[in-house]
Amino acid sequence: SQTIHQWPATLVQPVGSPLSLECTVEGTSNPNLYWYRQAAGRGLQLLFYSIGIGQISSEVPQNLSASRPQDRQFILSSKKLLLSDSGFYLCAWSSLGDRVVTEAFFGQGTRLTVV
Amino acid sequence: KNQVEQSPQSLIILEGKNCTLQCNYTVSPFSNLRWYKQDTGRGPVSLTIMTFSENTKSNGRYTATLDADTKQSSLHITASQLSDSASYICVVHAGNNRKLIWGLGTSLAVNP
Repeated sequence: SQTIHQWPATLVQPVGSPLSLECTVEGTSNPNLYWYRQAAGRGLQLLFYSIGIGQISSEVPQNLSASRPQDRQFILSSKKLLLSDSGFYLCAWSSLGDRVVTEAFFGQGTRLTVV
Repeated sequence: KNQVEQSPQSLIILEGKNCTLQCNYTVSPFSNLRWYKQDTGRGPVSLTIMTFSENTKSNGRYTATLDADTKQSSLHITASQLSDSASYICVVHAGNNRKLIWGLGTSLAVNP
């Protein structure tokens, strides 16, 4: 069966510090990978998605970047965190295909607080 | 503009009661609609996925309906349990790309 791992679960970082959140998927190959952010009381906002190694699409201009060094590894990074980067970050994967009814599976999330 | 709107924003019911959550969308072209349950501080978990040809789909005590003509969906929860307390999110998949359009969710509290 497929599983998705995301860590750490919680993180408190000072403003201006770097960030690295990692997400890995097991049990499937060539998944679509996503990073979402959920601010308090808000819906999920898609930050990045990737359809393959080294292929990253950014949905919104921001202080963050994403990388996919391996097929089942997706990393969210920042060189200098801002207070506005605080939020709940979720990694997700789905099988590929525009015309296939696919389901997105989510990790447990990382609660990031920038102080 | 592609949008998904949910109502009510929050709901409190007593254990054992039924409830219905609403979702209206303006996403075009439409591919499929999903309902997710998100416990506090956790990732969303899929409850149902429906394409335009499906009018209703059940998953245990959860029953989702879809009216593609009026672009409305509902999630009905039967015989609610304390563990049903969560945020329920309606998500529509736009058919022309891989984007999922997320609603803001309905926060459901089931009280004993």
